[in-house]
Amino acid sequence: AQSVAQPEDQVNVAEGNPLTVKCTYSVSGNPYLFWYVQYPNRGLQFLLKYITGDNLVKGSYGFEAEFNKSQTSFHLKKPSALVSDSALYFCAVRAPGEAAGNKLTFGGGTRVLVKP
Amino acid sequence: EAGVAQSPRYKIIEKRQSVAFWCNPISGHATLYWYQQILGQGPKLLIQFQNNGVVDDSQLPKDRFSAERLKGVDSTLKIQPAKLEDSAVYLCASSPEIGTGMTAYGYTFGSGTRLTVV
Repeated sequence: AQSVAQPEDQVNVAEGNPLTVKCTYSVSGNPYLFWYVQYPNRGLQFLLKYITGDNLVKGSYGFEAEFNKSQTSFHLKKPSALVSDSALYFCAVRAPGEAAGNKLTFGGGTRVLVKP
Repeated sequence: EAGVAQSPRYKIIEKRQSVAFWCNPISGHATLYWYQQILGQGPKLLIQFQNNGVVDDSQLPKDRFSAERLKGVDSTLKIQPAKLEDSAVYLCASSPEIGTGMTAYGYTFGSGTRLTVV
């Protein structure tokens, strides 16, 4: 069975400082990995994905994530955080191949608070 | 393109009552998902349709939850009777058809329906 762990319930960072949100996963085979962001009273918005290729993927709003197969991690990063980045962030994993049915398994979420 | 539409946005009901949620996916998306997101947790898949057939309903509490997608487009999720622990946000999402090689690109979520059972 596939699973995702987000070890931090909340991350606090000052505006302008680097932001990192941690994610580790467990899945059979090569994973498909995703990050989503959720603002209050809104649905989940896609940020970025790793399917194959370059381990460093770039996404929306200046976010990037690095896939590390040996550490089974996919940490989300932003070099300079903004107050508007304050939201709930979810990491998700999908097993490879169409037979997996495209089921996404989500982590528990990490709340990011960026202070001015 | 229009996004995934869900209604209502909010619903408050008493326990043991019934409730229904509606979802209209992105046009042309054959696959539709219902997720339950309890406060403080990540979303959990309840049921997945491809066209009007069920792909995965292994985590759907079938004694009280039901879902249908009769014409392969809109979908409804029903809870009858509701329990206090059903209080959550119910998210609908859609993606291209499985088997086309397009589903690796994630899916699009609606804004959700927040259910409060009192």
